[in-house]
Order: sequence, then C-alpha cells, then structure tokens
Amino acid sequence: EILLTQSPGTLSLSPGERATLSCRASQSVDISYLAWYQQKPGQPPRLLIYATSSRASAIPDRFGGSGSGTDFTLTISRLEPEDFAVYYCQQYGSSPLTFGQGTKLEIK
Amino acid sequence: QVQLQESGPGLVKPSQTLSLTCTVSGGYIGSGNYYWSWIRQPAGKGLEWLGRTYGSGNTDYNPSLKSRVTISIDTSRNQFSLKLTSVTAADTAVYYCARKGDIWGQGIMVTVSS
Repeated sequence: EILLTQSPGTLSLSPGERATLSCRASQSVDISYLAWYQQKPGQPPRLLIYATSSRASAIPDRFGGSGSGTDFTLTISRLEPEDFAVYYCQQYGSSPLTFGQGTKLEIK
Repeated sequence: QVQLQESGPGLVKPSQTLSLTCTVSGGYIGSGNYYWSWIRQPAGKGLEWLGRTYGSGNTDYNPSLKSRVTISIDTSRNQFSLKLTSVTAADTAVYYCARKGDIWGQGIMVTVSS
C-alpha cells in the first residue's frame, strides 16, 4: 500500500498570498496517477488536479500541480476567500487507492 | 451531465450489514473507461477508499476491510452497490460514491448504533 503524507497539517495564510502544499509518497507514484482534491465542510471532495498537473474542468488557473517520484506539490498562486478548505492528495495508480491525511488551509 | 446519488438506511445495528446504492444519471454506467468507487469519511477525519467496480463487473477492494466489503454493478438499473458486513461503531461515516475521481455523490451519513 502506498502511504501519502501531506504537509503541513495546517497552513495559515491571508487572501492574496501563495500557498504551497506538499504530498510525499512512501514509494514512487506514476505522475499519471496523482490527484488533488478540495473539500469544504458538508460537501464532497472536488477534483482540482489529475495526472499531477492537469487541471480538472472549470478549475481556475491559480491552481497548479507539479512533482514526480515521491514528491508532489499543489500550488495556489493567489489565494481567494473561497480557497480556504481542506486539500487531499490521492494516488490512483496502485491498489488500494490511497489518500493523504489532508492539509487544512485556514485564513490567517 | 452525469450525477451520482447515494441511497440506503442511515442507521444500521452493530454486527449487521450496511447496504448502500449509488444511482447514476445523465450517462450510462457501463460505458467509457471508468471505474466506480465507494469512499467513506468519519466525522472530522480523512478519506478512505473502500473499493471499486468497472462496467465489466470486475472489482477491487481495500485489504484493510478484509473480506467484509462487496461492490456490485447493475448496468440495467445504472446503479452500483456497496455491502459491508459485520459493522461496528468504527464504520460510522459519510459514505460517498464516485466515478473515478471526477464526479462524486453528495454523500450519505451512516450511523452504526443499537
């Protein structure tokens, strides 16, 4: 099973700032199979990024993904008020599919 | 557009079987290169993938659930289902169905309690 560790656990930033979220895998993940999700309270997760760096439908271009091997990053270039939420990475190339434990992005 | 909707009982007694159905609308469940998953999330915690099925009926499960989970697909009804046996309080969670990762249902809260 591939374990995904996200850091930091909580990130406190202000609107307009840049956010960098990390996801580290216990073994190499094919870049075709790494995704990022955003989840707000009471809502299902929303796919932001798939295949490491491809934005899902209707996702603003301030969201970007990068990485390879065991280290992956989600970057939000300029935070908008609606971006404060919990973010999860997921690998879907190896069964069982696994999620990171999440990073909470909160308003400073 | 494709939409998913979970249904089933919101309360299950310990040791019994949790049964949920996901109804797919706006598209045919048996078409395309998709898999259909069940994921759960205990209150205040992270996401756990339970397993998936394909249009062909092939399945794939999370070993952490050992042999308690079964996922099946009914292409004639455009539905897929989850059965989780021998439930305990630890199985209390919001259960989501999802198409691959791009489309999710709204989730259904299931409580295990006597």
